[in-house]
Amino acid sequence: GQQVMQIPQYQHVQEGEDFTTYCNSSTTLSNIQWYKQRPGGHPVFLIQLVKSGEVKKQKRLTFQFGEAKKNSSLHITATQTTDVGTYFCADQSGGSNYKLTFGKGTLLTVNP
Amino acid sequence: EAQVTQNPRYLITVTGKKLTVTCSQNMNHEYMSWYRQDPGLGLRQIYYSMNVEVTDKGDVPEGYKVSRKEKRNFPLILESPSPNQTSLYFCASSFLWGAGEQFFGPGTRLTVL
Repeated sequence: GQQVMQIPQYQHVQEGEDFTTYCNSSTTLSNIQWYKQRPGGHPVFLIQLVKSGEVKKQKRLTFQFGEAKKNSSLHITATQTTDVGTYFCADQSGGSNYKLTFGKGTLLTVNP
Repeated sequence: EAQVTQNPRYLITVTGKKLTVTCSQNMNHEYMSWYRQDPGLGLRQIYYSMNVEVTDKGDVPEGYKVSRKEKRNFPLILESPSPNQTSLYFCASSFLWGAGEQFFGPGTRLTVL
């Protein structure tokens, strides 16, 4: 089935540094969603990307969808301690298959 | 308040003792889904439901059953739990498939001894 690879698995940064997590697939992604899960919490939706080459921004967060729809990225500028958590990408498969396939996530820790 | 609720939040049980984890949403969502989360494996979809009486398998359905008799409820049933079903379970819902945001419940931590 569809596999979504996410890298890196872990990332530790100093507060104020930038952070990027990547989501890759060997096949074409349908729609990409990004979620954040705080430690001990549940996943919370951040954004959905649909179009090839799409770029969306939410304050310090920038989301990109690759031109070939085989990769996506989340970039955080000037991390803060509130950014700590695991970031997941998820592919909404299309056609007759209504599954959501998650990447394994990137755990971000921020040193104040 | 719009939300997805799950019960129980924590459960310790023994092998073979049937259990049900309830999930309810108050947002009139059509799509509902169950996931399990395990260290190093991320979130994996167990079952999903497009609407009442319409359910289908996700990526890891073995050992689980679901039903969708009412729009708001989507219980997860473990007929004969085994230790490999020890996990953190999340229920989620969205207005429609492909309509964006999935709202997740708070999670149920299950331990099968």
